Amino acid sequence: GQNIDQPTEMTATEGAIVQINCTYQTSGFNGLFWYQQHAGEAPTFLSYNVLDGLEEKGRFSSFLSRSKGYSYLLLKELQMKDSASYLCAVRVTTDSWGKFQFGAGTQVVVTP
Amino acid sequence: GAVVSQHPSWVICKSGTSVKIECRSLDFQATTMFWYRQFPKQSLMLMATSNEGSKATYEQGVEKDKFLINHASLTLSTLTVTSAHPEDSSFYICSAKTSRNTYEQYFGPGTRLTVT
Repeated sequence: GQNIDQPTEMTATEGAIVQINCTYQTSGFNGLFWYQQHAGEAPTFLSYNVLDGLEEKGRFSSFLSRSKGYSYLLLKELQMKDSASYLCAVRVTTDSWGKFQFGAGTQVVVTP
Repeated sequence: GAVVSQHPSWVICKSGTSVKIECRSLDFQATTMFWYRQFPKQSLMLMATSNEGSKATYEQGVEKDKFLINHASLTLSTLTVTSAHPEDSSFYICSAKTSRNTYEQYFGPGTRLTVT
């Protein structure tokens, strides 16, 4: 079956760093994505990893280890506006449709 | 670029009625659109994949006669929830891909459906 696990909630203070872990066991793998979703809004794309290693994009970085079925999203210099749910998603098919399997999301709460 | 809209943003309907939700790609042609459902504090669950001009492919456990999907053009897909029941109350989100070879999908703002 498909299984994508991430913590339910994390709290951190403004200016700090938070690391959100994601482990996956899926029938297929064609890339791992991180999305940010504010309550009642659509998810917005943050990062994409298909090869092992670290991808850095400003304050956000994402890491992937395919052999371990593991990824993390690192948020640096936290700002209040970073309070949101962060979704880990695996593209599970290699066909042209590219179906995604999503984790339940990690609610990050940034405190002053 | 790559903006996806949904209409309506929220809707309340009575049990037994049907509701249509539209998903439009505003500035690109979407060969493939996906429909998701999200219950509170839960993951986005893929309901179906919609390709322009062909029948939608539904995920296991999703009733195709209840959730009718029509992808009539490269910029519009519709989801009709037929004979809605309170358990169908959820957040419905569509996403669109710009072409077959791209990995990224762009999400619409979602539609909150409440069935009374």
